[in-house]
Amino acid sequence: GAVVSQHPSWVICKSGTSVKIECRSLDFQATTMFWYRQFPKQSLMLMATSNEGSKATYEQGVEKDKFLINHASLTLSTLTVTSAHPEDSSFYICSAPIAGVTGELFFGEGSRLTVL
Amino acid sequence: SQQGEEDPQALSIQEGENATMNCSYKTSINNLQWYRQNSGRGLVHLILIRSNEREKHSGRLRVTLDTSKKSSSLLITASRAADTASYFCATGTGTASKLTFGTGTRLQVTL
Repeated sequence: GAVVSQHPSWVICKSGTSVKIECRSLDFQATTMFWYRQFPKQSLMLMATSNEGSKATYEQGVEKDKFLINHASLTLSTLTVTSAHPEDSSFYICSAPIAGVTGELFFGEGSRLTVL
Repeated sequence: SQQGEEDPQALSIQEGENATMNCSYKTSINNLQWYRQNSGRGLVHLILIRSNEREKHSGRLRVTLDTSKKSSSLLITASRAADTASYFCATGTGTASKLTFGTGTRLQVTL
């Protein structure tokens, strides 16, 4: 099956620093990737849709300047949490669809961010 | 919120028993999918059912869809300890693969 790789799997940082999370499609090209945030024992909340070669589309209530998304190639999207604060601590997951495979998403393993 | 709701929130059964999870949603859909998530991991796609389908099977999984009631159910037969995970339904409203996830059911299968 299709593989989506996410890195790092966990990161601890100090308040005020920025953290970059990478999401790569390893065996397929992804013009679109989705970034989700998940709190403990809760569902996934879509943060933004990453579009290759253009600006990301953010969901209502998600700060664009806080969560920078870049999709510079057909296999890589990055999420940068800028000036991180403890309330940004969460589990971030990316996913990507395969063109021609309607609807199904392939997920990365997630990145757990802890901001001290 | 368009987020679907699942019940039960948590389910504990013994190995060999069947597990049934239900999902309700609010808007018209193009398809409904079920995903599994092991603790602290990403999600794995289990099965997709289209809006014009009523039932679908995949191995020990059986999914039903009732668009008139805006609901779906996932049945796992002959459960195993390895089935312990959280299960999420997700609805798609178009062809862009943008999904809305339900609240999830945490399934615990004990020996």
